[in-house]
Amino acid sequence: DTAVSQTPKYLVTQMGNDKSIKCEQNLGHDTMYWYKQDSKKFLKIMFSYNNKELIINETVPNRFSPKSPDKAHLNLHINSLELGDSAVYFCASSQDHRGSYEQYFGPGTRLTVT
Amino acid sequence: GEDVEQSLFLSVREGDSSVINCTYTDSSSTYLYWYKQEPGAGLQLLTYIFSNMDMKQDQRLTVLLNKKDKHLSLRIADTQTGDSAIYFCAENGENTGFQKLVFGTGTRLLVSP
Repeated sequence: DTAVSQTPKYLVTQMGNDKSIKCEQNLGHDTMYWYKQDSKKFLKIMFSYNNKELIINETVPNRFSPKSPDKAHLNLHINSLELGDSAVYFCASSQDHRGSYEQYFGPGTRLTVT
Repeated sequence: GEDVEQSLFLSVREGDSSVINCTYTDSSSTYLYWYKQEPGAGLQLLTYIFSNMDMKQDQRLTVLLNKKDKHLSLRIADTQTGDSAIYFCAENGENTGFQKLVFGTGTRLLVSP
């Protein structure tokens, strides 16, 4: 049973399109995260939700909009895709927002914008 | 702002010890972490250390923390080919009470037989 799952695994699309990436965790965790990993493997947090409430919102263009319909799901919608959005996007979850709790990562979604 | 630096590559022979180093800037970080990323996969937490500790040992892994120099290291004893991966250190930045991880640049460890 996969703990943190993401769909799709690969996404190839053209500039200007709108796309969504879905994330689900079956661990009963309260906190979920979205990270972006660029081609040089640099990993940076984008958003975090705790009990469906947004708690971390980094300096991300407002073309990126996260949505948490319930505690187990955190989706990422991206409008007007740009070449620079090409990256691997990782979802993660932790039991709660405190530092002592491990983050469990999904397998990633490789987004390629052409 | 926070900044976490690591050397990019480390190459060792099977059976040797590996030491991966990390420097960070946020002295208020309560926790410091080591994550492992295998090819095509997400990150997996290896271990973490609370900021009031100097050392933590967990089987083949030893973490050393020098708070004065803001230096963190991960030693892997008896390194195996299965340890080949990218290793990220991370600090819990900004002391907001939330787990806002700031990751290092990653060290690619290559273990040769």
